[in-house]
Amino acid sequence: DTGVSQNPRHKITKRGQNVTFRCDPISEHNRLYWYRQTLGQGPEFLTYFQNEAQLEKSRLLSDRFSAERPKGSFSTLEIQRTEQGDSAMYLCASSLAGRAQPQHFGDGTRLSIL
Amino acid sequence: GENVEQHPSTLSVQEGDSAVIKCTYSDSASNYFPWYKQELGKRPQLIIDIRSNVGEKKDQRIAVTLNKTAKHFSLHITETQPEDSAVYFCAANGQNFVFGPGTRLSVLP
Repeated sequence: DTGVSQNPRHKITKRGQNVTFRCDPISEHNRLYWYRQTLGQGPEFLTYFQNEAQLEKSRLLSDRFSAERPKGSFSTLEIQRTEQGDSAMYLCASSLAGRAQPQHFGDGTRLSIL
Repeated sequence: GENVEQHPSTLSVQEGDSAVIKCTYSDSASNYFPWYKQELGKRPQLIIDIRSNVGEKKDQRIAVTLNKTAKHFSLHITETQPEDSAVYFCAANGQNFVFGPGTRLSVLP
């Protein structure tokens, strides 16, 4: 399967803990996006990378959220000191470079905060 | 800020009928408008997209129309089938990708 891969699929953790999610994009895709999706809503843009450069991060929800793509391949999204409101589906997508390129999504990581 | 509105929020049609979902966007710099289908518990899947240099695009039973002057675009599904039941999202590439809130389509057999 050469699609976008995310892991873990599910993460259950206690409030206050740190969590990290991983995304492996389609291999030839330069761009990688992170979104958050809550029940009944569309994906909400968080940040994106072109190769290893993080080109937009102002939409990250707070300074507890950070993302990396150190070698321009896989990416990680970290949430520090998790809160109840962080419970959501975190989706990753990838595309070729350019504003008008289709994005292909992974299956997401569902985060539940106890 | 940039915004994408989508209507209706829910839509029920009889099998074989057509379904139309409409979206409006605010950022005039947007030039790419994809539509995604998301089944329960699954990833959003791209079903069709349109760029601003065309007004209409069709792929079998699915078509999308774009009116850049009015800043709206629509998804048309003809001869609906039960497997078309899902949530559909429109999106626009303003400064960042912005998704609409979704339309839950139910195709009744």
